[in-house]
Amino acid sequence: DTEVTQTPKHLVMGMTNKKSLKCEQHMGHRAMYWYKQKAKKPPELMFVYSYEKLSINESVPSRFSPECPNSSLLNLHLHALQPEDSALYLCASRNLGGGRQNYGYTFGSGTRLTVV
Amino acid sequence: SQQGEEDPQALSIQEGENATMNCSYKTSINNLQWYRQNSGRGLVHLILIRSNEREKHSGRLRVTLDTSKKSSSLLITASRAADTASYFCATVNSGGSNYKLTFGKGTLLTVNP
Repeated sequence: DTEVTQTPKHLVMGMTNKKSLKCEQHMGHRAMYWYKQKAKKPPELMFVYSYEKLSINESVPSRFSPECPNSSLLNLHLHALQPEDSALYLCASRNLGGGRQNYGYTFGSGTRLTVV
Repeated sequence: SQQGEEDPQALSIQEGENATMNCSYKTSINNLQWYRQNSGRGLVHLILIRSNEREKHSGRLRVTLDTSKKSSSLLITASRAADTASYFCATVNSGGSNYKLTFGKGTLLTVNP
C-alpha cells in the first residue's frame, strides 16, 4: 500500500458544527502532516507529527485540533469554523529513515471543506 | 511563509514542446522537491534533488539546482496534454527542523493538444 487515504472527500459544515477529517497510511511513515490550501495558492503547513508526537504547530487557531492516535492514523478535529476556513485540507506522510530529510512526501487527495 | 517563488506563474504550450519552470528560494536547503497537482486535488511527488546535486533526471523530467543562485529549474520534455497541471517546488531547509516542507507559489502549465 503506497497511498495516503483521506476521508471524507467533500465536507460541508455549519459554523456551529463539530466534524473530523481522517487520514490513514500503511507505509510505515512516522511523520504525518496537515496542510491547508486555498484556491490558486500553494499548500500551507498546519501541523507536523513525528513518531506520533506533535512537533510543529504553525500557529493554527485552536478551532483546529489535530490528533495522532497511532502511527497510521491522523485526525483533524474541527469546531466552530469560519467561512474563511473553507479550503482543501491535505494530509501527507514521509519516511523517517536514515538520511531522513531526503525523502519525498506522499500526499492524499484531500478533503474539500466548505463552511457555511 | 513561502520559501520558493516559481516563474512563470502560468505557461501555455503546444503538445510536443518542452516546458521549463523556474524556482527561487531564500534560505539554505537540504533538498528541493517538485510536485504536480491536478485540478486542486492531491499533490504528486515528481523528483527530489539534494543540495549537493546539480542535475537529476527522471523519465521526461530534468531538474537542475544551483545553490549559489538559490534556484532550480524543472524541464518537461515532449510535453503531453496530460501534463496540464500546477507544478510546485518545495524545499526542506537545512538546520533547525527538517520536517518542514515549504511550497512556492506554483506554475500553472497548460499543454494544448
